Amino acid sequence: YELTQPSSVSVSPGQTARITCSGNALSTQYAFWYQQRPGQAPVLLIYKDKERASGIPERFSGSSSGTIVTLTISGVQAEDEADYYCQSGEINGAFEVFGGGTKLTVL
Amino acid sequence: QMQLQESGPGLVKPSETLSLTCNVSGGSISGYHWSWIRQAPGKGPEWIGYIFYLGATNYNPSLKSRVTISVDTSKNQFSLKLNSVTAADTAVFYCARHLYCGGDCYSPAFDLWGQGTMVTVSP
Repeated sequence: YELTQPSSVSVSPGQTARITCSGNALSTQYAFWYQQRPGQAPVLLIYKDKERASGIPERFSGSSSGTIVTLTISGVQAEDEADYYCQSGEINGAFEVFGGGTKLTVL
Repeated sequence: QMQLQESGPGLVKPSETLSLTCNVSGGSISGYHWSWIRQAPGKGPEWIGYIFYLGATNYNPSLKSRVTISVDTSKNQFSLKLNSVTAADTAVFYCARHLYCGGDCYSPAFDLWGQGTMVTVSP
C-alpha cells in the first residue's frame, strides 16, 4: 500500500502552497500531516484529515476528497520551508503508512 | 511537559539484533499507545510497530517476523528489538507517542516524537 506525494512544491512568500497525497485507502482512513525540518523529528500538523494539532498556526489546513487529501499552507513564510509527509492506515487500518514526502521550497 | 529519549548502540553488525529503549519523562507511560518509527537517509518515515501500555502490540507486516516491542511501566519506558539486521536497516529510529483519544481508543496520529537516534548496520 502506498501514499503518493509530489516530490517538490515551490512557492513565493505570502502565496498559498498546496501539497497533495493520494492513496486508495484515503477514502476510508483518516490522513495525518507532518512537517520535518532538516535534522529534526517530524511534527504533527493535521490529524483526522482537517483537525489542526495543538499549537499549529491557522495558516495550516487540511482537506479531503475521495482518495486525495490536501495540505494547504496559506501565506507561506520562509520558516515553512521543510519536508512534509502524509500518513494514513492501510485500507483495513491494520498498519500505518507514510507518503514519500514533499519538499516545500520558499522562493 | 512529556519528553521522549531514545537510547542504544549506534552501530550494529549484520545478522545481529538491534536493541533500542525509549525513556518517557515528564509524564506517565500509562494510557497511551507508543510506536517505533524509522527513517532511512533521504527517505520518508516507516512505521515499525506500536505497543499499548498494557502490552498489546501491532507490527508492520513487512517487519513483523523480526520485530519485538515491549513495555516496562515500572521504568516508564518501552523497547524495540529488531533481529537479523542488514545494511537496509540503517536509519534514524524514533520513538513516538500516539495522540490520546480516551480509554483504549487507538489514534494513528503521532503527536510527540523523540529526537531520534541514528543506527548504522555495518561489519
